[in-house]
Amino acid sequence: DTAVSQTPKYLVTQMGNDKSIKCEQNLGHDTMYWYKQDSKKFLKIMFSYNNKELIINETVPNRFSPKSPDKAHLNLHINSLELGDSAVYFCASSHKFPGQGVNEQFFGPGTRLTVL
Amino acid sequence: AQSVTQLDSQVPVFEEAPVELRCNYSSSVSVYLFWYVQYPNQGLQLLLKYLSGSTLVKGINGFEAEFNKSQTSFHLRKPSVHISDTAEYFCAVSPQRAGGTSYGKLTFGQGTILTVHP
Repeated sequence: DTAVSQTPKYLVTQMGNDKSIKCEQNLGHDTMYWYKQDSKKFLKIMFSYNNKELIINETVPNRFSPKSPDKAHLNLHINSLELGDSAVYFCASSHKFPGQGVNEQFFGPGTRLTVL
Repeated sequence: AQSVTQLDSQVPVFEEAPVELRCNYSSSVSVYLFWYVQYPNQGLQLLLKYLSGSTLVKGINGFEAEFNKSQTSFHLRKPSVHISDTAEYFCAVSPQRAGGTSYGKLTFGQGTILTVHP
């Protein structure tokens, strides 16, 4: 069984479009994250949710909006896509809520977004 | 705030040779330390982590790392590499105790591409 899954794996779209990436974890974790990996492979956190509540919100354009319908899902919606949004987006989840212990994070396989 | 520097962007080695991937960090608070591996077109997998206690930690696939607090380093080592170890390796830190939104946040280094040649 896949622990952290993302759909789609590849996403190719035109500038200006709106798109969503879905993430689901079946590990029973409380906290979920979105990371962006740019063309130089640099990984940077974007958001973190705990039990559907936004915990970490880095300096990300407000065109990016995470949505957590329940604690097993954290979706990423992107409005008005730009060329610079092209990257690999990784979802992750952790066992413990920040503040209650070490959060070993488990990563999904990534979604490669290409904006033309 | 934390920052992580991986000193080598690429490390080529021959099969069965030893390897060391270097990682230095900067933080105003105590941190937990991690090494992740990313195989081509895959997500990240945890190799090992340092939380507390012995400064030498062992991970999966024969890797180990040593935490050196005075030098703020967490270098990854393997005594004999295999072709299958070819991948990109990421060092990361997470603050042990910090206010609200910082706790649990992983800060990654730039990655080191390890290429093992036959």
